[in-house]
Amino acid sequence: KNQVEQSPQSLIILEGKNCTLQCNYTVSPFSNLRWYKQDTGRGPVSLTIMTFSENTKSNGRYTATLDADTKQSSLHITASQLSDSASYICVVSDRGSTLGRLYFGRGTQLTVWP
Amino acid sequence: EADIYQTPRYLVIGTGKKITLECSQTMGHDKMYWYQQDPGMELHLIHYSYGVNSTEKGDLSSESTVSRIRTEHFPLTLESARPSHTSQYLCASSEGRARVTLMPGQGKDTQYFGPGTRLTVL
Repeated sequence: KNQVEQSPQSLIILEGKNCTLQCNYTVSPFSNLRWYKQDTGRGPVSLTIMTFSENTKSNGRYTATLDADTKQSSLHITASQLSDSASYICVVSDRGSTLGRLYFGRGTQLTVWP
Repeated sequence: EADIYQTPRYLVIGTGKKITLECSQTMGHDKMYWYQQDPGMELHLIHYSYGVNSTEKGDLSSESTVSRIRTEHFPLTLESARPSHTSQYLCASSEGRARVTLMPGQGKDTQYFGPGTRLTVL
């Protein structure tokens, strides 16, 4: 069964600190992995996208890593800001269908305190 | 920012009412999607469309129906709402004659999400 598991479920950090979110997946055949940020009451917004051959991808203070062998990914947030408070969702796409089906994790709820 | 809109943002209705959730995008995307999301849970695909006159059911069984008469419009309808339909409904679109400039973190098949409709059925 194709699954995406994220940890931790929730995380509280102080402003300015770094944090790392984890994602394990069993989706096969693998196409790409994305990290989305979802603010409360809003739709998800794509932060990074990585294909099988990419190990790391950065977008500002966000850096995602991918180990396709162990089927693990992480999202590292540097120098956190209050606006980083959101749910971070790991999304894996398969290439077994024309649609490129997406498999969503439940997200890590990050809260940044001043 | 993605040009995809959903109305209403919030809706509270009584059991048995017929409702239509609107979704429109101005990016010229061919593919559109409807997801259902409960608090703290993952998104579940309930409907999708490859283009005009194309509609398909997603992974999660839903009593709702959709239509795609125009490229930019993908409404979702519940003929008779029930409390079990209470949830957040997210619309998304991707691909096609995209007129958006790709930002970091986006690819040609990135799904762009609307703000969602929070539905409560009493």
